[in-house]
Amino acid sequence: GENVEQHPSTLSVQEGDSAVIKCTYSDSASNYFPWYKQELGKRPQLIIDIRSNVGEKKDQRIAVTLNKTAKHFSLHITETQPEDSAVYFCAASIGNAGGTSYGKLTFGQGTILTVHP
Amino acid sequence: NAGVTQTPKFQVLKTGQSMTLQCAQDMNHEYMSWYRQDPGMGLRLIHYSVGAGITDQGEVPNGYNVSRSTTEDFPLRLLSAAPSQTSVYFCASSYRPVHTQYFGPGTRLTVL
Repeated sequence: GENVEQHPSTLSVQEGDSAVIKCTYSDSASNYFPWYKQELGKRPQLIIDIRSNVGEKKDQRIAVTLNKTAKHFSLHITETQPEDSAVYFCAASIGNAGGTSYGKLTFGQGTILTVHP
Repeated sequence: NAGVTQTPKFQVLKTGQSMTLQCAQDMNHEYMSWYRQDPGMGLRLIHYSVGAGITDQGEVPNGYNVSRSTTEDFPLRLLSAAPSQTSVYFCASSYRPVHTQYFGPGTRLTVL
C-alpha cells in the first residue's frame, strides 16, 4: 500500500520567516495530495490540496508544490505568524475510481510547527 | 448544518468490553471514514465507505467493525476492547473520496 514520509517532525521558526515541510510518497498511482492543519485539541482541517495535473498551487501565504517524477510534494508557508503554530499533516490518495485503493487517504506522521513572536 | 458529529467525546472502557462510536453527517456526503490518531503516528485509516452499503478496510482494521446502512451514519464498533486501542478517533466525510474531508470533533478513548 501507499507509504507517506513527512519531514521534519518538528520545525521552529521566527515570526515572519518561511517554513517548508516536505513529504514523499511511494505509490506512483497517487494523484491527490491534501495538507491538513491541526491545532492543539482540535480536529484536522484542510488548508490546501493539489492534484497531479498541477505542479504548484498558491493560496495567500500558503503554497504547495508537487514533483510527480520524484514522488514528493512540499508545503511552503511565507511570512509566518504565531497563529500558524500547529501540527501539519500531508496525505496522499488515489483518485481514480475502480481501483482497490480508490479513496484511501494515507497520512504522513505530522510536523509540529512553532512560530516564535 | 451541524457538519460531522461524533459521540461520545470521551469514553473509558475495561479490557474486553465492547462499544460503538457514533458518527453522523448532514452534508449528504458519499464518502465517510474512520481514523485513529496516536502520538507520533499521524492519522491512520481504520475503515472507510464510498456510499451506503459499501465499506472497506483501511490500514489498521483489526478489532473494529463498521456498517453503512444510511448515507448519514457510519458507526464504528469495537468488538473486544484492548489497551492498544487507546487513542483519539476521528470520523470524516467528503462529497467524493478525493474531495475535502471534514473531520468530526473526535472521541478520546481509554482502555484500561
